[in-house]
Amino acid sequence: DVKVTQSSRYLVKRTGEKVFLECVQDMDHENMFWYRQDPGLGLRLIYFSYDVKMKEKGDIPEGYSVSREKKERFSLILESASTNQTSMYLCASSGGMGGLEQYFGPGTRLTVT
Amino acid sequence: SQKIEQNSEALNIQEGKTATLTCNYTNYSPAYLQWYRQDPGRGPVFLLLIRENEKEKRKERLKVTFDTTLKQSLFHITASQPADSATYLCALEKRGSQGNLIFGKGTKLSVKP
Repeated sequence: DVKVTQSSRYLVKRTGEKVFLECVQDMDHENMFWYRQDPGLGLRLIYFSYDVKMKEKGDIPEGYSVSREKKERFSLILESASTNQTSMYLCASSGGMGGLEQYFGPGTRLTVT
Repeated sequence: SQKIEQNSEALNIQEGKTATLTCNYTNYSPAYLQWYRQDPGRGPVFLLLIRENEKEKRKERLKVTFDTTLKQSLFHITASQPADSATYLCALEKRGSQGNLIFGKGTKLSVKP
């Protein structure tokens, strides 16, 4: 079974703090994704990566950066957290054996106060 | 731009009936379409993928159809059970991407005993 894990289920941070969200997958997938999910807006893609050290902007990259130093690990960084970044953050991976489906982690509920 | 719509925000049905969820898309002809299930506070879970040259796909009590003329996919759950209650997301490949997906906002299905 594919397993995607995220470093925290719940996180509370203060405005202006630097926040790191980590994601690890154990299936040797090439592709990794970071989404945020908000009521009424659905899932929106923040950043994605098709290979180690490679990153591409998604639909809403402003205020975020990412890092992929190893194939199995994809980190999302909020350089200076703001209240409008309070959301559910979901990591996903895909690509093993040419698979198109995405496997999601359990999510991190981030609250910025 | 590509748009994907799931017509109903919520669907309530009686146990044992067939649930039918609708996904419509515009401005694009995707090579494939996917359906996911999401439980509250959890990441989405992949259910089925259907390609443009497939009219129908089945998996146990699940059936998906893909009508490229109508630009519509239907997702059926036969003999529904209360355990099927969840939000179901439709996703299609993003034009010009290497496996990126655009997700619908989901339909929340409630199956009453």
